[in-house]
Amino acid sequence: DAKTTQPTSMDCAEGRAANLPCNHSTISGNEYVYWYRQIHSQGPQYIIHGLKNNETNEMASLIITEDRKSSTLILPHATLRDTAVYYCIVRPQIQGAQKLVFGQGTRLTINP
Amino acid sequence: DAGITQSPRHKVTETGTPVTLRCHQTENHRYMYWYRQDPGHGLRLIHYSYGVKDTDKGEVSDGYSVSRSKTEDFLLTLESATSSQTSVYFCAISEGFGRGISGANVLTFGAGSRLTVL
Repeated sequence: DAKTTQPTSMDCAEGRAANLPCNHSTISGNEYVYWYRQIHSQGPQYIIHGLKNNETNEMASLIITEDRKSSTLILPHATLRDTAVYYCIVRPQIQGAQKLVFGQGTRLTINP
Repeated sequence: DAGITQSPRHKVTETGTPVTLRCHQTENHRYMYWYRQDPGHGLRLIHYSYGVKDTDKGEVSDGYSVSRSKTEDFLLTLESATSSQTSVYFCAISEGFGRGISGANVLTFGAGSRLTVL
């Protein structure tokens, strides 16, 4: 699986858009970008995933650059409950078990 | 978390004693996983299952065994607990590629089991 690089920590003001970057310069053509988050003491939670097109769901938007070497997760109107560690993971879409490898992620703090 | 239950949620035990953690799902998902989370190491895969009686090792399987006799239950056993196995353990489930959310084989995690080995 391609390696990902994320900032260790970020801050964002409540109500503003939080933009979390992820670098995955060695991504292969069949690999998807997944985002999960982990709120303190809870299990990780799936947010969104994409291959090459931008994606949006009720939680967030995912912007993937045209060369697919980086992506940005956007939380459009961050709330205090969005404070969490956010993980960017690159994995191929294959049959079988989804053996995700979690890095250290980005610790996002939403400030009032 | 909806559809996935871990028990016990908290356990304190002594070195050398056996411990079994249980993961129970009501989603009928094929795949089940056990992860552990430690400060400085993040989440690491211990074992996973791809069906009843079908299991395989993850990256940190030493000292752990698993069993899956029913679709809904995945047990993680520490035969003789050590202090290095003090951790938070998370169970996860997934449906498999081509199913579920956009066919993405998304993992759904349980709430975790905090184990302390004295």
